[in-house]
Amino acid sequence: AQSVTQLGSHVSVSEGALVLLRCNYSSSVPPYLFWYVQYPNQGLQLLLKYTTGATLVKGINGFEAEFKKSETSFHLTTPSAHMSDAAEYFCAVIGTAGGGYNKLIFGAGTRLAVHP
Amino acid sequence: EPEVTQTPSHQVTQMGQEVILRCVPISNHLYFYWYRQILGQKVEFLVSFYNNEISEKSEIFDDQFSVERPDGSNFTLKIRSTKLEDSAMYFCATTELAGEGPYNEQFFGPGTRLTVL
Repeated sequence: AQSVTQLGSHVSVSEGALVLLRCNYSSSVPPYLFWYVQYPNQGLQLLLKYTTGATLVKGINGFEAEFKKSETSFHLTTPSAHMSDAAEYFCAVIGTAGGGYNKLIFGAGTRLAVHP
Repeated sequence: EPEVTQTPSHQVTQMGQEVILRCVPISNHLYFYWYRQILGQKVEFLVSFYNNEISEKSEIFDDQFSVERPDGSNFTLKIRSTKLEDSAMYFCATTELAGEGPYNEQFFGPGTRLTVL
């Protein structure tokens, strides 16, 4: 069975600082990994995803994530935080071996605060 | 930009009452999901729905829960007799059938916050 662990329920950074949000996964099959962001009072929005191919994945809003199989990690980074990046971030993995249209299994989420 | 909508945004109900949460999917999307998030906990999969039938359901989705697409546009989640532990944010998500298949982006609605008293 697949699972996701997000280390750090809250991360606080200064505007302009590097952001690193950690995600580790467990999967018995090649994983398909996603990062979603949730702004206040809004639904979850896809930031980026890894399926196959290049292990460094670029997403929207200047975020990127690197799939590291040896570390079972898919950490999310952005080099310079903006006030508008303040939100909750969820890492997720597809919940089955693939094929069909599968459920997402989410981590607990990390709330990012950006202060001036 | 097309979006998934959900109504109501907040529902307060008494324990034992029935509630219906509504979702309007993006128009060309054919695969639907419900997820929930109890306060402070993970977003959890409840059920997936395609071609007017349940594709998969979690152990949370017991006999008190049901889903349907009553009129070809809305997608509803019904909780027959609510319990205190059903208090949560419920998210609808939809995805189109074509494209990359299992890796298709799931588009999420803003959620319905259900409070059971």
